[in-house]
Amino acid sequence: SQQGEEDPQALSIQEGENATMNCSYKTSINNLQWYRQNSGRGLVHLILIRSNEREKHSGRLRVTLDTSKKSSSLLITASRAADTASYFCATGLNNNDMRFGAGTRLTVKP
Amino acid sequence: EAQVTQNPRYLITVTGKKLTVTCSQNMNHEYMSWYRQDPGLGLRQIYYSMNVEVTDKGDVPEGYKVSRKEKRNFPLILESPSPNQTSLYFCASTSNIVYGYTFGSGTRLTVV
Repeated sequence: SQQGEEDPQALSIQEGENATMNCSYKTSINNLQWYRQNSGRGLVHLILIRSNEREKHSGRLRVTLDTSKKSSSLLITASRAADTASYFCATGLNNNDMRFGAGTRLTVKP
Repeated sequence: EAQVTQNPRYLITVTGKKLTVTCSQNMNHEYMSWYRQDPGLGLRQIYYSMNVEVTDKGDVPEGYKVSRKEKRNFPLILESPSPNQTSLYFCASTSNIVYGYTFGSGTRLTVV
């Protein structure tokens, strides 16, 4: 069953602005991951946050996790046109149990 | 280059004609999965494998078969495809989930 649910479904911003996407999930997790997908292509792993972590950074990406609210957010700072893609959260308990949401479609206008 | 290779990239077939989508990874990963992606539904797991000869059903296994005879290969078999299996299929692999999954480029299947 689909685990994560991203919000909003679509987001359109200007280059240079920050983009924030949210993910909510239903059951206990060991980790939460964010992936990016350029149109019709394979997903690319961006960042993983463990259930005992609250915040993690990687370059222009900042991920937060609130296990009490079963939610996570992905912040992309100083967005670029090349960030235009769909972003998915995935939650899992173990190596073979990754559940993906339906994704947020981000459009960054130059 | 470390990668997951799927073939074919595009396939149009007719209802009932058996087909196989191949998946191969060159990273010596133990874990491999097949997903299908449909608009508004995200990615749903079809089957996964934890190692050679170890496979198990995901969330939407009906109408699909898999095998894992070698570590690098994890083919997806549709014995009798139907139009509701028209979808975008992805194979993915990992050695440990902390590194994330590596995805193939996808196979767009149309069953008419």
